[in-house]
Amino acid sequence: DVKVTQSSRYLVKRTGEKVFLECVQDMDHENMFWYRQDPGLGLRLIYFSYDVKMKEKGDIPEGYSVSREKKERFSLILESASTNQTSMYLCASSPGAGLKTQYFGPGTRLLVL
Amino acid sequence: QKEVEQNSGPLSVPEGAIASLNCTYSDRGSQSFFWYRQYSGKSPELIMSIYSNGDKEDGRFTAQLNKASQYVSLLIRDSQPSDSATYLCAVNTNFNKFYFGSGTKLNVKP
Repeated sequence: DVKVTQSSRYLVKRTGEKVFLECVQDMDHENMFWYRQDPGLGLRLIYFSYDVKMKEKGDIPEGYSVSREKKERFSLILESASTNQTSMYLCASSPGAGLKTQYFGPGTRLLVL
Repeated sequence: QKEVEQNSGPLSVPEGAIASLNCTYSDRGSQSFFWYRQYSGKSPELIMSIYSNGDKEDGRFTAQLNKASQYVSLLIRDSQPSDSATYLCAVNTNFNKFYFGSGTKLNVKP
């Protein structure tokens, strides 16, 4: 079974803080993704990575950065958290070839005060 | 225009009925199509994938794809209260980008 884990289920931070969200997958997948999910807006892609040290901007990268130093780990960084970044953050991974199914982690619900 | 469109619902069906969920997409180059189920407060869980025109059945679930009409649907037979959730349609267009619909909320009434 594919397992994608995220470092925290719930997180409360203050405006201006630097926030790190960690994601780890155990299936040797090449591709990893960060989404945020908000009511009425669905899932929106922030960044994705198709290889170690490689990253591509998604649809809403502003205010975020990412790091992928190891294949199994993909980190999302909020450089200076703002209240409009309060959201559910979902990490996903998928294999690089063949079926492109994405597998999701449990999500991190972030509240920025 | 959004890449993937779904009716937000809620769609209400009685227990035992067939639930029909629909999705349209805009990119004709799309190659892979997925249905995810998401319970409130939980992350999306893959239930079906389909890659070629026609029907694909898995237990009580049937996915239908019509690339000419850019339309994909999910049928749930013998709906159960435990099927009550939001169903997300996802499309893989190019390179490894996925687009998700906003989801259709399904309520199955006992």
